[in-house]
Amino acid sequence: GAGVSQSPSNKVTEKGKDVELRCDPISGHTALYWYRQRLGQGLEFLIYFQGNSAPDKSGLPSDRFSAERTGESVSTLTIQRTQQEDSAVYLCASSLLEGTDTQYFGPGTRLTVL
Amino acid sequence: GESVGLHLPTLSVQEGDNSIINCAYSNSASDYFIWYKQESGKGPQFIIDIRSNMDKRQGQRVTVLLNKTVKHLSLQIAATQPGDSAVYFCAEMPNFGNEKLTFGTGTRLTIIP
Repeated sequence: GAGVSQSPSNKVTEKGKDVELRCDPISGHTALYWYRQRLGQGLEFLIYFQGNSAPDKSGLPSDRFSAERTGESVSTLTIQRTQQEDSAVYLCASSLLEGTDTQYFGPGTRLTVL
Repeated sequence: GESVGLHLPTLSVQEGDNSIINCAYSNSASDYFIWYKQESGKGPQFIIDIRSNMDKRQGQRVTVLLNKTVKHLSLQIAATQPGDSAVYFCAEMPNFGNEKLTFGTGTRLTIIP
């Protein structure tokens, strides 16, 4: 079956603009995660959705970052008033259940803020 | 705070040889560890995991060793192949069932033909 997909694959924007990144999880997966990966670094947790529970937003670096998820499907990560330090690959992952269930990652969106 | 780090940023291994990638963690209460493989331009791919109540777990050509005494995790890849070239990350989950993973910086493994 289809894996996690993300769009766009690349996004170049100007400083101060807003961007929206999309994640389509694997069908039936109840948990969805967003991570940020700066060049040459590991993954940094941003936000986690599980079913209809309130999302865990503890990893969001500032109030310019927000994310939504419609039911157990598509999620959108929005970055407002982008800054150059927001440049990174944004990775989405989904898992069938919560906890230690294997997280399957999408290919990521490479965001470049000029 | 918790941190997960790697001893070596790069590692080159002759094809067919075994490789060992190391990882140190600082949170002695961490309960669950995962190794991911990330190829260029792709998202991380799950390789193998281990719970803190184990010290060794084997998969296909891969073995993860956990030494809780020194808070050290390693990934052994046997009979390396060119397709094993990638960046390998260890990740830590502080509490089993807590969904947040803390990732290390990664080690780039290059297999020399």
